[in-house]
Amino acid sequence: SYEVTQPPSVSVSPGQTASITCSGDKLENKYVCWYQQKAGQSPVLLIYQDTKRPSGIPDRFSGSNSGNTATLTISGTQPMDEADYYCQPWDSSTRVFGGGTRLTVL
Amino acid sequence: EVQLVESGGGSVEPGGSLTISCAASGFTFNNYDMSWVRQAPGKGLEWISYITYGGSTKKYSASVEGRFTISRDNAKNSLFLHLNTLSVEDTAIYYCARDQSFGVSDFWGRGTLVTVSS
Repeated sequence: SYEVTQPPSVSVSPGQTASITCSGDKLENKYVCWYQQKAGQSPVLLIYQDTKRPSGIPDRFSGSNSGNTATLTISGTQPMDEADYYCQPWDSSTRVFGGGTRLTVL
Repeated sequence: EVQLVESGGGSVEPGGSLTISCAASGFTFNNYDMSWVRQAPGKGLEWISYITYGGSTKKYSASVEGRFTISRDNAKNSLFLHLNTLSVEDTAIYYCARDQSFGVSDFWGRGTLVTVSS
């Protein structure tokens, strides 16, 4: 079955840019979503179809997908962005989540 | 406002069964595919099942295939998951989610906790 790998943790200073990667074989051939989950809350859709943001998601969140790696970028990171982030690749035969990345805003 | 409210979780012994539900409101339920995703305590998200808007197609992860059954009642705007032959590894919060095209889960419920313990 298909697998994707995320770093367990990423740290960033407030106001700086955080990048969270999601790696998998030929990942660029799949659509990738990103979800944010704050402590004790349900996941929230951040990015879909690699680069698109749902309404209400701040434009400091952006996504890309090329080769074997998809990346979630958070520009001007705020303390409220501290959360777990999950990637989810999709194609007609794939429905898995990455292991998640805990973002710490120091 | 889109709302998904899960219910039916609780404590069950290993080998037991349980049915959990998800009540949907604020959107036309029978226009959307739906999924179940679970999260074991302190662990990440795990996709476990999916059903198309009419109920004709159902898919399962390898970890639950043959033990769990997804269903829906469009007349009652409800999604169900029947959990059978439960083991301690099935202990988790179970979330229902509304699906858009390309596997996008755009709204999630708050989840219901299933605890498998003797």
